[in-house]
Amino acid sequence: ETGVTQSPTHLIKTRGQQVTLRCSSQSGHNTVSWYQQALGQGPQFIFQYYREEENGRGNFPPRFSGLQFPNYSSELNVNALELDDSALYLCASSLPGQISNTGELFFGEGSRLTVL
Amino acid sequence: GNSVTQMEGPVTLSEEAFLTINCTYTATGYPSLFWYVQYPGEGLQLLLKATKADDKGSNKGFEATYRKETTSFHLEKGSVQVSDSAVYFCALSDPGAETSGSRLTFGEGTQLTVNP
Repeated sequence: ETGVTQSPTHLIKTRGQQVTLRCSSQSGHNTVSWYQQALGQGPQFIFQYYREEENGRGNFPPRFSGLQFPNYSSELNVNALELDDSALYLCASSLPGQISNTGELFFGEGSRLTVL
Repeated sequence: GNSVTQMEGPVTLSEEAFLTINCTYTATGYPSLFWYVQYPGEGLQLLLKATKADDKGSNKGFEATYRKETTSFHLEKGSVQVSDSAVYFCALSDPGAETSGSRLTFGEGTQLTVNP
């Protein structure tokens, strides 16, 4: 069984640039969510995708956007990068309703973004 | 809104010591509660969960009881091992999980170091 994989693992951008992070969900999982984890903090929910549509969003501005593809993989796009966007970005996959049934999200190891 | 508060860390213990990591929460409705663990170089993993008041979640020698009256979900282990060294996150599910799916609210995390 293939786990959640994310790419790239590390990247450095400058303020104002745009970034795309990628995620392949665990086999059979059709729901993908993204989290931002600042240094020394817990993960914060950005949004969730199900059936290629955004289905739930946290308190993040519109310059954070995403896509989900028919194979359930996903992208997180961040435009007009700011210094405070420096963080570990985590992707998690699950089956729909699984969070309420088992509480188990399957997380990737994350993409560490540094904005200079 | 929902929030999770964990005891301030880091926590350093000797092998075979007793562990308690405190977690309290604020939520409307009746959330499910979770402990996730992040080992060095790995993604977050579900450690245990409880879905209703007085439920006890347990796994790998760790336990936590859902206490609605004190809005707490403290993590305990009777005898820690060096291999338990990791960051531990308390989390709750959005009570509106029907539409929010994989939206978890995390605490800030507690770094545990166990020395031989």
